Amino acid sequence: DVKVTQSSRYLVKRTGEKVFLECVQDMDHENMFWYRQDPGLGLRLIYFSYDVKMKEKGDIPEGYSVSREKKERFSLILESASTNQTSMYLCASSSNYRGLTGELFFGEGSRLTVL
Amino acid sequence: GNSVTQMEGPVTLSEEAFLTINCTYTATGYPSLFWYVQYPGEGLQLLLKATKADDKGSNKGFEATYRKETTSFHLEKGSVQVSDSAVYFCALSPRGGTSYGKLTFGQGTILTVHP
Repeated sequence: DVKVTQSSRYLVKRTGEKVFLECVQDMDHENMFWYRQDPGLGLRLIYFSYDVKMKEKGDIPEGYSVSREKKERFSLILESASTNQTSMYLCASSSNYRGLTGELFFGEGSRLTVL
Repeated sequence: GNSVTQMEGPVTLSEEAFLTINCTYTATGYPSLFWYVQYPGEGLQLLLKATKADDKGSNKGFEATYRKETTSFHLEKGSVQVSDSAVYFCALSPRGGTSYGKLTFGQGTILTVHP
């Protein structure tokens, strides 16, 4: 089975701190994604990557950056955390083969609270 | 741009009741359509999918038919169980280019099933 692992299930940070969220997938998928999940808003795409060192902005990239130095790892970075970034963050991956139908495999999520 | 609209929840049903969760979409061309489910404390997992008009996706007793004429992909189940309590997300994936896997999600519908 595909496994997408997010490094932290729960984090509590203070305003202004730098935050790293790590995601690793073990199925050699080309594409990786970071979504943000908020009640009533569904999932919103922050950034995605379709190859090592490649990245593209999603719908809400402001205040975030990403890094993909290795195929299996995709990191989300909050350079200076703010309270409005308190949310659930979901990492996902997909294969370009399965990607023809857009099937995503998700991690369990990282719930970030910024105080 | 692309968008997905789901019926608002939460939806509360008794066990063995019939379930419908409405989903309509706006997209150019011929997207693929998905239903994802999120059980408490877990990430999203694919429930079913359809890749072209009139396709019916089915899994675990759930069904949805891709209706291009009404741009809809409503989720149905004839007899729900307590274990179906979860959040359900409708999503679409456009075709081509670097759009692979770049899903657009609806806002999610919370389903609670009582014994």
